[in-house]
Formats: sequence, C-alpha cells, structure tokens
Amino acid sequence: EAQVTQNPRYLITVTGKKLTVTCSQNMNHEYMSWYRQDPGLGLRQIYYSMNVEVTDKGDVPEGYKVSRKEKRNFPLILESPSPNQTSLYFCASSLFKGAGGYTFGSGTRLTVV
Amino acid sequence: DAKTTQPPSMDCAEGRAANLPCNHSTISGNEYVYWYRQIHSQGPQYIIHGLKNNETNEMASLIITEDRKSSTLILPHATLRDTAVYYCIVTESGAGSYQLTFGKGTKLSVIP
Repeated sequence: EAQVTQNPRYLITVTGKKLTVTCSQNMNHEYMSWYRQDPGLGLRQIYYSMNVEVTDKGDVPEGYKVSRKEKRNFPLILESPSPNQTSLYFCASSLFKGAGGYTFGSGTRLTVV
Repeated sequence: DAKTTQPPSMDCAEGRAANLPCNHSTISGNEYVYWYRQIHSQGPQYIIHGLKNNETNEMASLIITEDRKSSTLILPHATLRDTAVYYCIVTESGAGSYQLTFGKGTKLSVIP
C-alpha cells in the first residue's frame, strides 16, 4: 500500500532532550515536507526537500533540522526541544511536478514538558 | 498574505451536494488550484486539483471560473464521513516549486 509512515505517533519528552521523528515513503516520491499544526494557526511548513541532499526552509524552520540522505526517508530532528514545539506534526510526500498532490502521514503528536 | 479566501464554515444535509467556494483573485497563469481536506487531526487528504478546465474524480468535481479568479469544490452526495475542514490552495506545480500554504479552510459539517 502506498503510504507515508511517521514514527512515533505520540511522544512526550522533556525540554532539551534531543529527539528525531522519522518519516518514510514507499512511493519513490521526490518531494517531501514537514508541517506542524497548532490550534488557531493552521498547518505551517517547517522544511521541505525537492530531492536527495536538497532541503530548504519553510515558514517556521527555527529549532528544527532535517536531512535527506536517501529518497524514501526525511527525518525531523529537534536538537533541543522546547515547550513551544509542542504540536501535531505531519510529514508529506509528492511526485515531482505535483501530480496527484501530496500524501500525508498520520501525524506525530509531540508534547515537550 | 493569503492567496485564497474561503468561508469559515458551512453546513450541508446528508445526501445533498456540498458546494464549497474559494476565491483566488490574484492567481497567476502557472498556478494550480488544489483542494485538500482534513478529518479531525488526521493527515490532510488530497482531493483534486486543476489549472483551468473543470475536473472530476471519484471523490469530487472542481469547477474553475473562466477568469480563474474563483472555484467551487463539489461533493455530489455528501455523507457524514465528509465532515472535515476543506482547504483550497493555490500553488505552482512544476520544477523548483511545490510548496503548499494552508489557510484556515472551510469547516464543513454534514448534518443527518
């Protein structure tokens, strides 16, 4: 089944403890992206990648890192999480030129205490 | 600077057609209209997209006005499972640019 898989689905962590949220797609998509969703603010793009080793900042990149060493994986790294990064995170992927739109993962609900 | 304007909420009776409008008066010639929906904290789901011709798939129809300044997403026979927030997004689709900027969308409530 074609899908975007995020892990974990839920995570509670403490301030400053480095964490990684994994994202993997099995559709050979070139584009991948991370979003966060907060009440009243909607979905905001954090980082995106147009291909292996090509990444760029979205609208809210501060406090996050990403890497794209292989086509299928696009992990989101929080080096030193803070409570304002408590949010619902979504990974998404798309074919080059956007055919068919983005496929989103099921989400990761992160709480930083 | 939002590229699209949508009503914040709409109701639709179950079994009826749901017509969701979107204004995008500043759309440029190489920009597409995309529609997504999000059902209660699930990942957004792609519905349909178009450039200037009307489009139809198994989920919905997309009607784009001739001047491309507005569009309507039509769910022909709405069911309770169509209750969701619907997002209209204008974006380029091609080499070097494929960013989605989500606005607040329209919360569609399908009523029994």
